[in-house]
Amino acid sequence: QKEVEQNSGPLSVPEGAIASLNCTYSDRGSQSFFWYRQYSGKSPELIMFIYSNGDKEDGRFTAQLNKASQYVSLLIRDSQPSDSATYLCAVASTSGTYKYIFGTGTRLKVLA
Amino acid sequence: SAVISQKPSRDICQRGTSLTIQCQVDSQVTMMFWYRQQPGQSLTLIATANQGSEATYESGFVIDKFPISRPNLTFSTLTVSNMSPEDSSIYLCSVEVSGANVLTFGAGSRLTVL
Repeated sequence: QKEVEQNSGPLSVPEGAIASLNCTYSDRGSQSFFWYRQYSGKSPELIMFIYSNGDKEDGRFTAQLNKASQYVSLLIRDSQPSDSATYLCAVASTSGTYKYIFGTGTRLKVLA
Repeated sequence: SAVISQKPSRDICQRGTSLTIQCQVDSQVTMMFWYRQQPGQSLTLIATANQGSEATYESGFVIDKFPISRPNLTFSTLTVSNMSPEDSSIYLCSVEVSGANVLTFGAGSRLTVL
């Protein structure tokens, strides 16, 4: 089992719709969770982080965390073509040495 | 957040040679990491660069192939040694600023080995 798993996609949504991106992780002791966006040819940039169970909203983005189910999600409301990118889920692992582990990423396509 | 300067931004190298990538941060950081991103793939952690001591390597990566230095809290280098075409990849320096608990990335170094 991979430490952080995501559906590779592509996930296609029409402009204005809600895009839902999902991620599961294996280390039950993980405390910090992140969503990064990566445009083609660019390095990843942080969108949101979440530490506590529940929802965290920032503009059009909502991160959801369920530690019991070891599940993290990212909702993008009113999706725009400019949101088309690969979204990477990351977990700060405290098992062994401290490090950030990334999922394989979900490619999102927002259709105009 | 920290500003990271990484160089070279890209290079084309011959098989069997070595290349050193530099990472300079504009502020002191606690954690520095080196990642590799192969074409169409996600990020794989190579190692954690430890200030003043040997780097901590992940499974599948060894010091002889990827020697890392970190002489102070703002600078690190990654060398890719005895390169083969399989080393063609983007290499990313990333840092965690003390107290911020988030990871910031440099622009990356795109390496092509012929």
